Amino acid sequence: DVKVTQSSRYLVKRTGEKVFLECVQDMDHENMFWYRQDPGLGLRLIYFSYDVKMKEKGDIPEGYSVSREKKERFSLILESASTNQTSMYLCASSTLILAGGGDNTQYFGPGTRLTVL
Amino acid sequence: SQKIEQNSEALNIQEGKTATLTCNYTNYSPAYLQWYRQDPGRGPVFLLLIRENEKEKRKERLKVTFDTTLKQSLFHITASQPADSATYLCRGGGNEKLTFGTGTRLTIIP
Repeated sequence: DVKVTQSSRYLVKRTGEKVFLECVQDMDHENMFWYRQDPGLGLRLIYFSYDVKMKEKGDIPEGYSVSREKKERFSLILESASTNQTSMYLCASSTLILAGGGDNTQYFGPGTRLTVL
Repeated sequence: SQKIEQNSEALNIQEGKTATLTCNYTNYSPAYLQWYRQDPGRGPVFLLLIRENEKEKRKERLKVTFDTTLKQSLFHITASQPADSATYLCRGGGNEKLTFGTGTRLTIIP
C-alpha cells in the first residue's frame, strides 16, 4: 500500500514563527504536492514538485516556499506564519504521467491542521 | 481559464436511493477524470478513473460516466447507505496544475 505520512496531525504556532511541514512517501513517486483546504474553497494547490530540487508554483504560492532535497521528502515552509495561513494542509504524491494511457492518481497524507495564533 | 466545477456543495439523499453527483469542466479537454472520497479530517482517497474514450465505468455500487459533448462526468452511488456520507471530489487528468473541484458533501439519511 502507498503510504504518505505528514509530520504532525495538529500544530499550533504564533504569528511570525517559521513553520516546517514535512511529508514523506514510500512509493518512489516522482511528483509531490502541497495543498491547503479551507471550507467552501476546496483543495488549492500551493506548490508541486516533479523531481528532486524541482518545483513549480500552484495557485496560491504567496507566503510559502518548498524544499525537495530527496525524492521521498517534500517540505512546506511558512517563512513568517500569519493568521490567514490557519488551515488544513494536505500533501500528496503521484507517479510521473506516462504517455498514452498513464494516469497520475494522487495519494494523500492524513493532513496537518495548522492554527496560527 | 481551465476549470473543474462541482455545482452542488451539498446533497441529501434517502438511504437506498441513488445519489448522483456532477462534475463539469470548461476550457479544457481532460484525458481522464478521477473521483475521490474525503471523510472529515482525512485526506482524499481515490475511487475511480474514467478515460475520455470510455462512456461508463463501474465498481461495485459506484458508476461513473464521461460525456465529452456535455463536458461533464456523473458519479452515481446506487443503493446508498449512511456509510457513503462523505465529500466527493472530481479531478481532471493531464494537467498537474489543474486541481480538484470544490467537492460535493453527500449525506445519506437513514
